[in-house]
Amino acid sequence: ILNVEQSPQSLHVQEGDSTNFTCSFPSSNFYALHWYRWETAKSPEALFVMTLNGDEKKKGRISATLNTKEGYSYLYIKGSQPEDSATYLCAFIDNDMRFGAGTRLTVKP
Amino acid sequence: NAGVTQTPKFQVLKTGQSMTLQCAQDMNHNSMYWYRQDPGMGLRLIYYSASEGTTDKGEVPNGYNVSRLNKREFSLRLESAAPSQTSVYFCASWPRHRGNEQFFGPGTRLTVL
Repeated sequence: ILNVEQSPQSLHVQEGDSTNFTCSFPSSNFYALHWYRWETAKSPEALFVMTLNGDEKKKGRISATLNTKEGYSYLYIKGSQPEDSATYLCAFIDNDMRFGAGTRLTVKP
Repeated sequence: NAGVTQTPKFQVLKTGQSMTLQCAQDMNHNSMYWYRQDPGMGLRLIYYSASEGTTDKGEVPNGYNVSRLNKREFSLRLESAAPSQTSVYFCASWPRHRGNEQFFGPGTRLTVL
């Protein structure tokens, strides 16, 4: 993988569902991986900064894992709420910072 | 501590006009970035400045120029605006330390007619 890829591109879930999405990145020359939450008409805001293989981070109902050897990170949302509706971006950092295209999550009440 | 500020917030240009988007950060960060947001494409990097005195092209640099005026300020110039440059532009800064995230400005919504 030469670029940063996120899947799925979009996701619609019902309130209360748990969900997860993937960020895939080059497995060489890893420096850090960031997850950002981006609400419509606002600026992206950082959720997690991950630097070590095997890192697991948690903030409330949202958590993330990192596997630098195979080049992927998962973001999990437990018990989705309508306010979780946003685009979730990951950014891979080696010598540069490269963003994926994002996963657009819509949580229906 | 204002973080990352951008001016203007909105701008409408006619094709062929020029303008400069201003960005400033007060966090003493080394690196600064300009992105554009296009539907379905997330954030695309236009130019970045890894440190004061250096600038490099990103993924979509054509039609833009940048100036890292000092450590605080990083401007983006459109010399001859085109409708394809209609977008929302975000400036961001990063201390370039492994454990720190990027901080984004509020964005500039640019329309080129």
